[in-house]
Amino acid sequence: ETGVTQTPRHLVMGMTNKKSLKCEQHLGHNAMYWYKQSAKKPLELMFVYNFKEQTENNSVPSRFSPECPNSSHLFLHLHTLQPEDSALYLCASSQDREGYNEQFFGPGTRLTVL
Amino acid sequence: GQNIDQPTEMTATEGAIVQINCTYQTSGFNGLFWYQQHAGEAPTFLSYNVLDGLEEKGRFSSFLSRSKGYSYLLLKELQMKDSASYLCAALDSNYQLIWGAGTKLIIKP
Repeated sequence: ETGVTQTPRHLVMGMTNKKSLKCEQHLGHNAMYWYKQSAKKPLELMFVYNFKEQTENNSVPSRFSPECPNSSHLFLHLHTLQPEDSALYLCASSQDREGYNEQFFGPGTRLTVL
Repeated sequence: GQNIDQPTEMTATEGAIVQINCTYQTSGFNGLFWYQQHAGEAPTFLSYNVLDGLEEKGRFSSFLSRSKGYSYLLLKELQMKDSASYLCAALDSNYQLIWGAGTKLIIKP
C-alpha cells in the first residue's frame, strides 16, 4: 500500500464516451501528477499540480482535462478519446514540487479506447 | 534534448548478481532515481543519488558518476521476486523527472 489510490483500475470506453479517472493520496503531500505509460516507452508527464495549482501541462491534447479540487484529490476527465490514448494512466504525489521529490505512485488505471 | 538510455531487457539467474546501466543527458541535474515496477503494479522507489559514488541498501546498490552522466543499479543474490521493470529517472534543473523506458529484468531459476 503506497498511500495513493486510483479508481477505476480498468476502464474500457468508446471514442464518444466521457469518463473520469480519480486519484486520492493519503500522504499529506502538496504536489500531484498524472503520467501516461505506454508499452516500452518512458513515462510521459501530463500534468502537475502544486498546492492545487496547475504548474505544468506538457502539450496534452484538450480531450484530457485535469481537475484538482484539493491537495488530496486529482481527477482526469476524458472525452472523445482516440485508440492511441489506450495506456496505463498513473497518478503520483510528492511532498513538494522542487528539490528531492520522491514520488509515490498509485496502481494506475488501465485504459482501453475502442 | 533530454534523454535517458537503459537496456530494454536483461536476463539473470536466481542467486546471481546483475547490473542495470543508465546514461542520462539532461538540462542541469538534481539527482537520479531508480524505481521498481512489477507487472500491473505501481512503480516503487528504490534509490536516489545526487553525489558521486555508491549507495548500498541491502541487496540493492546504486552508483552515480555525474561527470560521465552514468548510473547503475546493482542487484545481488537475485530472487525470483526481483523479476520486474527497473526505471531510471533523472531530475533536471527545473526539478522535472526525465524517465527512461525501463529495463525488464527476467530472473530464471
